[in-house]
Amino acid sequence: DADVTQTPRNRITKTGKRIMLECSQTKGHDRMYWYRQDPGLGLRLIYYSFDVKDINKGEISDGYSVSRQAQAKFSLSLESAIPNQTALYFCATSDPSGGDNEQFFGPGTRLTVL
Amino acid sequence: GQSLEQPSEVTAVEGAIVQINCTYQTSGFYGLSWYQQHDGGAPTFLSYNALDGLEETGRFSSFLSRSDSYGYLLLQELQMKDSASYFCAVRNSGGYQKVTFGTGTKLQVIP
Repeated sequence: DADVTQTPRNRITKTGKRIMLECSQTKGHDRMYWYRQDPGLGLRLIYYSFDVKDINKGEISDGYSVSRQAQAKFSLSLESAIPNQTALYFCATSDPSGGDNEQFFGPGTRLTVL
Repeated sequence: GQSLEQPSEVTAVEGAIVQINCTYQTSGFYGLSWYQQHDGGAPTFLSYNALDGLEETGRFSSFLSRSDSYGYLLLQELQMKDSASYFCAVRNSGGYQKVTFGTGTKLQVIP
């Protein structure tokens, strides 16, 4: 069973549409993250959450919003999608009680904005 | 800010040893991690170094020199399945201990 799941796995949408990407985890971790990956640019942090009441912007949060509905769920929204948001999106979790040195990634969502 | 440099591509022969280097600049260093990512897959954690020296985990080892702001990942007895991208990531000291990823090194293992 996957510990970190993302839905959908693939999505094609049009410019201006609102999109929500969902992430769920069964690891019991308090910390969750959203990254985007573009070719040649590595992983860049969009938002992170240390618990349900703690949400923080990452380095590229413009154009995105998040919701932490529960410890296990962290959603990423694109309010009005634009083509340069076409990318591979990863959700990740970490456990501060375990040293917080390792992040556990979901399988990714490939988003295409036309 | 933080910046990391690693080679974009490396090619090595099956059975050989390959070293992937990572240099970093950061304001407040806490530790260096390595992740592996196969094409189309999710990054998976390989190792973490907070102190100088070599950490060994099976065929993979990771080294850190804090004074040189430098680390490397060493892969021994290369196998075809090791063909993947490898990312170094710096963890910063401070309130959040933010993790910043490098742009990745694509390793191709050839027969």
